[in-house]
Formats: sequence, structure tokens, C-alpha cells
Amino acid sequence: AQSVTQPDIHITVSEGASLELRCNYSYGATPYLFWYVQSPGQGLQLLLKYFSGDTLVQGIKGFEAEFKRSQSSFNLRKPSVHWSDAAEYFCAVGAYSGNTPLVFGKGTRLSVIA
Amino acid sequence: DVKVTQSSRYLVKRTGEKVFLECVQDMDHENMFWYRQDPGLGLRLIYFSYDVKMKEKGDIPEGYSVSREKKERFSLILESASTNQTSMYLCASGTSGRAGANVLTFGAGSRLTVL
Repeated sequence: AQSVTQPDIHITVSEGASLELRCNYSYGATPYLFWYVQSPGQGLQLLLKYFSGDTLVQGIKGFEAEFKRSQSSFNLRKPSVHWSDAAEYFCAVGAYSGNTPLVFGKGTRLSVIA
Repeated sequence: DVKVTQSSRYLVKRTGEKVFLECVQDMDHENMFWYRQDPGLGLRLIYFSYDVKMKEKGDIPEGYSVSREKKERFSLILESASTNQTSMYLCASGTSGRAGANVLTFGAGSRLTVL
């Protein structure tokens, strides 16, 4: 079974600074990988996904993520954070074989300060 | 855009009550899911369904049941609510095919408080 670790529970960055949120997964084959964002009081929204091909994927709101097989990682990045990016971010992994649902990490809460 | 609508945003119930959480999606998705979200624990899967009248247990099904009589509707039932079921409940739907490749669309959530 697959699993996901998001090592950082809470991160604070200054507006305009760069951002990297870490995600490590455990799965025996190439997984499907996702990042979702949850604004306060809302459901989750898909930011980006990786299924195959180019390991650098672009998403909405200026986010990108890079799949690194050797490190079992799928870190989320943004070059310049905006105050509206304050939210909780979830990494998720899906198995390529079988039909089991996504497994989510425990999330990283992002705070943005002026 | 796919919409997933959860009928109640906030509910307050008493211990022992039977609770129904309703979820409706409008894009003919095959797959539907119920998650529970608690601080520090992330999202945990309660039940999911691949088709009408089909259901599969997730990671934490104890104390819950589900019903899927129509493709667009997936209900979560707490047979006898307990205080440890106080939580945020998120419904999601996903396209057919491998569940692991599903792009999920989430509802806004139902925050349940059990007193």
C-alpha cells in the first residue's frame, strides 16, 4: 500500500518570498501524484497532478511540482508567494495498479506574513 | 465545472442520534468518496463507492455506513452518533477508471458537532 509524508506541519513565509512544500511518498512503482489546496472553511481544490512524462508539472495559481523518483519526492514550489496563498496543502498518492483510492498526507499549513 | 454539494455545512447533534450527511454530484462521476478531516490527522477515508449500490470500506469505517441508491447521490450515515465523531466530513467524486488516477472534486464539507 502507498503512503505519503509531509514533514512540515506549519510553514510561515513572507509575502513575495519563494515557497517549497515537501512531500515524500512510499510506493513500489511509479505512482500518480497530486497536490490539493484547502482554503479556510472550504473543500479541497486540485493544484496539479503528475501521471507520467515530464517530471516538472505546472499547476494553477503559479504553482509547480517536480517528481523525483530517486528521492521518492514530489515537492511543491512557488517563486513568489501571495497573501492569498495562505491555506492548507495536501499531497496525495495514487497507486498505478489495482483500484485503491488516493492516500493523503496530513497536510502542511502555510501562513503568509507581510 | 463539476459540482459536489453537501447538503449541510454545520450540524449539531446529540449522542445516540442517527445522522445523515448527504452528498450530490452533477457530472455523472462513477466514483464517490467520504473522508473525515481532523487536525493533525489529515484526510482519512471512511467509505467509497464505484457504482450505484456498490460500497467499499475505507480506513476508518467503524461507526459509519453509506448508501448509494442513485449515481449522483452518496450518503454517509452515523447510526448512533458519538462525541468522537465530531469532525469535518468531506465528500468527493472522481472520474471512472483506476481509483488511484482519479482527480477528485470535493464538496465544501460538513462540520458535525456531537454533544
